[in-house]
Amino acid sequence: NAGVTQTPKFQVLKTGQSMTLQCAQDMNHNSMYWYRQDPGMGLRLIYYSASEGTTDKGEVPNGYNVSRLNKREFSLRLESAAPSQTSVYFCASSEYTGEVNQPQHFGDGTRLSIL
Amino acid sequence: AQKITQTQPGMFVQEKEAVTLDCTYDTSDQSYGLFWYKQPSSGEMIFLIYQGSYDEQNATEGRYSLNFQKARKSANLVISASQLGDSAMYFCAMREGRGTNAGKSTFGDGTTLTVKP
Repeated sequence: NAGVTQTPKFQVLKTGQSMTLQCAQDMNHNSMYWYRQDPGMGLRLIYYSASEGTTDKGEVPNGYNVSRLNKREFSLRLESAAPSQTSVYFCASSEYTGEVNQPQHFGDGTRLSIL
Repeated sequence: AQKITQTQPGMFVQEKEAVTLDCTYDTSDQSYGLFWYKQPSSGEMIFLIYQGSYDEQNATEGRYSLNFQKARKSANLVISASQLGDSAMYFCAMREGRGTNAGKSTFGDGTTLTVKP
């Protein structure tokens, strides 16, 4: 079972470059999320998508855009990368956003370094 | 104000002993869920256990149990019979059911657990 798949696993960018992080889930989940994890800290929500066709800002959305391409795929784009965006990025999914009893299933993360 | 507080940045436990990882939370919502996740050094996030705000009994999953004290707003994770493979970072998280934060999960900063042989 693949679960949540993120690509790439590692990436190094120069300041000002753009890139898109890809995420796909095969669990038929409705809700998908993007988090960032900085050293020594927990996960902070960047954007989420409660269902196909909807996206909403999380705690730290500045500098990012997202696209819910279809039910399976949710991408995160950095338009002009900055060193402050160096982090580990996690994609997650759950069956429904509004159900408090559903755990999130996470991808393995993307380690992004911006020089 | 931080919604999830984990006050123990690091904990040590002897193999085969039990350990409690602390978590306190803050919410005015009556409907919420509390989760614990494990993050090994390899980096993936693994779901361990869930407790609902309306659950009257503490959740258990194998060697993991959740000591839920609703009035004190605490949801401590208890790991019994620690194993070397339990060495990891552990995150407490909360998902609220209503209001502007409905559906969003908030994570604590984590506790690094080291199991000593």
